[in-house]
Amino acid sequence: DAKTTQPPSMDCAEGRAANLPCNHSTISGNEYVYWYRQIHSQGPQYIIHGLKNNETNEMASLIITEDRKSSTLILPHATLRDTAVYYCIVRVATNFGNEKLTFGTGTRLTIIP
Amino acid sequence: DAGVIQSPRHEVTEMGQEVTLRCKPISGHNSLFWYRQTMMRGLELLIYFNNNVPIDDSGMPEDRFSAKMPNASFSTLKIQPSEPRDSAVYFCASSLSVGKLFFGSGTQLSVL
Repeated sequence: DAKTTQPPSMDCAEGRAANLPCNHSTISGNEYVYWYRQIHSQGPQYIIHGLKNNETNEMASLIITEDRKSSTLILPHATLRDTAVYYCIVRVATNFGNEKLTFGTGTRLTIIP
Repeated sequence: DAGVIQSPRHEVTEMGQEVTLRCKPISGHNSLFWYRQTMMRGLELLIYFNNNVPIDDSGMPEDRFSAKMPNASFSTLKIQPSEPRDSAVYFCASSLSVGKLFFGSGTQLSVL
């Protein structure tokens, strides 16, 4: 699976959009980008994933560049509850035999009141 | 849905004792994962099962660790004998769709 690079930490003002970048310059054509977050003392939580088109759900939006070498997770109106470590993971979405996800160090996002 | 259920939430034991962590996956999910998290090493995958069969146990640190999944609704991770360096938060996760894991609340293990 391709390696990802994320900034170790970021701050964002409450109510503003939080934009979390992720570089994955060695991504292959069949690898998806997944985002998870981990709020303190809880298990990681799935947020969103995509292949090449931008994706949006009730939690966030995922913007993937045309060359797919980087992506941005957008939390449109950050709240204090969005303070967490955010993980960007790239992996092949194959079926049986290769489901594991490898977590890196992520970005520690702090929402400031 | 109750989500992935892990027990106990906290476990304090003495070095040399056997520790058993338990996990109940979400009903209908066919993959189950055991992760360990420490400050030094972050989140590490220990082992995962698909349809109750262990698929990849390359992350299991040593023979002191063993995991079983006797049926689709239950899994255990056992450490025997436990050592202080095993102290960590152990997470269980289950999934039905590739890449979309649902994690439990974890077991905080302290080995004294």
